[in-house]
Amino acid sequence: SQQGEEDPQALSIQEGENATMNCSYKTSINNLQWYRQNSGRGLVHLILIRSNEREKHSGRLRVTLDTSKKSSSLLITASRAADTASYFCATGFSGNTPLVFGKGTRLSVIA
Amino acid sequence: EAGVAQSPRYKIIEKRQSVAFWCNPISGHATLYWYQQILGQGPKLLIQFQNNGVVDDSQLPKDRFSAERLKGVDSTLKIQPAKLEDSAVYLCASSSTGVAGELFFGEGSRLTVL
Repeated sequence: SQQGEEDPQALSIQEGENATMNCSYKTSINNLQWYRQNSGRGLVHLILIRSNEREKHSGRLRVTLDTSKKSSSLLITASRAADTASYFCATGFSGNTPLVFGKGTRLSVIA
Repeated sequence: EAGVAQSPRYKIIEKRQSVAFWCNPISGHATLYWYQQILGQGPKLLIQFQNNGVVDDSQLPKDRFSAERLKGVDSTLKIQPAKLEDSAVYLCASSSTGVAGELFFGEGSRLTVL
């Protein structure tokens, strides 16, 4: 079953605007990861946030994690046309349990 | 550093035929995964290997899907016989650690079953 649920399913914004995507999950996690997938390509890892962290930054990306609400958000600031892609959250667990991916948010950035 | 290699990139077959996909992970990565991604959905794990042993194959339809990683390096995923609902992208990923670390994905193999 898919653990994470991204919201919204699709998002369309103008270049230069910020894009926010949310992910909710159901069980306790070890970490949460965000991946990007360009059309017809494989997934690319963006950022990992551990369960004892609340916020993490990487370039124009900002990720927050609220374990009490079992939710995370991904903020992309000053979006570019090249950010057009699908974004997936994936929940990680301890031990050898594999990542579980959500259904993704399709982001379209219009130039 | 070379990435995860997959082949073929595209395959079209008739239902009830067989197909095989190949994956070569990043050198030194002990953990290898096969995911199935149906159009518009997120990747769903089919099987996870640690070296040449199976860690998790609970979601692999074993009546038609099989996978092996005999020497703990490259891996093959086979479907026999294929069904229409097997049309999907088959993604291979690898990681240097099995403990929920970053995954490195290949470009995927897109299967169309007619």
